[in-house]
Amino acid sequence: EVQLVESGGGLVQPGGSLRLSCAASGFTFSSYWMHWVRQAPGKGLVWVSRINSDGSSTSYADSVKGRFTISRDNAKNTLYLQMNSLRAEDTAVYYCPLLYGAFDIWGQGTMVTVSS
Amino acid sequence: DIQMTQSPSSLSASVGDRVTITCRASQGIRNDLGWYQQKPGKAPKRLIYAASSLQSGVPSRFSGSGSGTEFTLTISSLQPEDFATYYCLQHNSYLWTFGQGTKVEIK
Repeated sequence: EVQLVESGGGLVQPGGSLRLSCAASGFTFSSYWMHWVRQAPGKGLVWVSRINSDGSSTSYADSVKGRFTISRDNAKNTLYLQMNSLRAEDTAVYYCPLLYGAFDIWGQGTMVTVSS
Repeated sequence: DIQMTQSPSSLSASVGDRVTITCRASQGIRNDLGWYQQKPGKAPKRLIYAASSLQSGVPSRFSGSGSGTEFTLTISSLQPEDFATYYCLQHNSYLWTFGQGTKVEIK
């Protein structure tokens, strides 16, 4: 069964850091680009970042560029999002979907709350 | 960056109604667009990919059309389980973007 499980969310103070993880199983993780998508409470979906299959190319939404870093460990079948200089507006559920061709797989998300 | 303008932001409809949602891209994106359905507390679910291809397992009352800058999601006969929020997602550029969402509510 294809599965994505996000973890690492929690409560962090403004200016703090957090690293999210996304454990993949049931497919050849190293073959696919991966993404992070977030959704603030009561708001719409926002694409955050993507990484290519070998980790050599990344892209970021303007709202997180310079603060967030996406990476992956294909040996561990795990995707990461390092989030620094966190702001209140980064409060959201973070998803790591596999969106490629016929694949449309989402995990349950992990909640990040930035508050003092 | 490519901006996606989705309309309407919300609509009220009755079971059996035909519903149309539109997304307009700020520049041409060929057919690099998907439509998603999201229910409260749940992850999104893709309905349509490549602008007009039905995702496996999705009822045939859902259809997508368009290419370039104008795209449409149509629900031919709204069912009770279709009350949800719908989003378009363009993946033509290195920076992907969602539309703002359309909440479909019961009239």
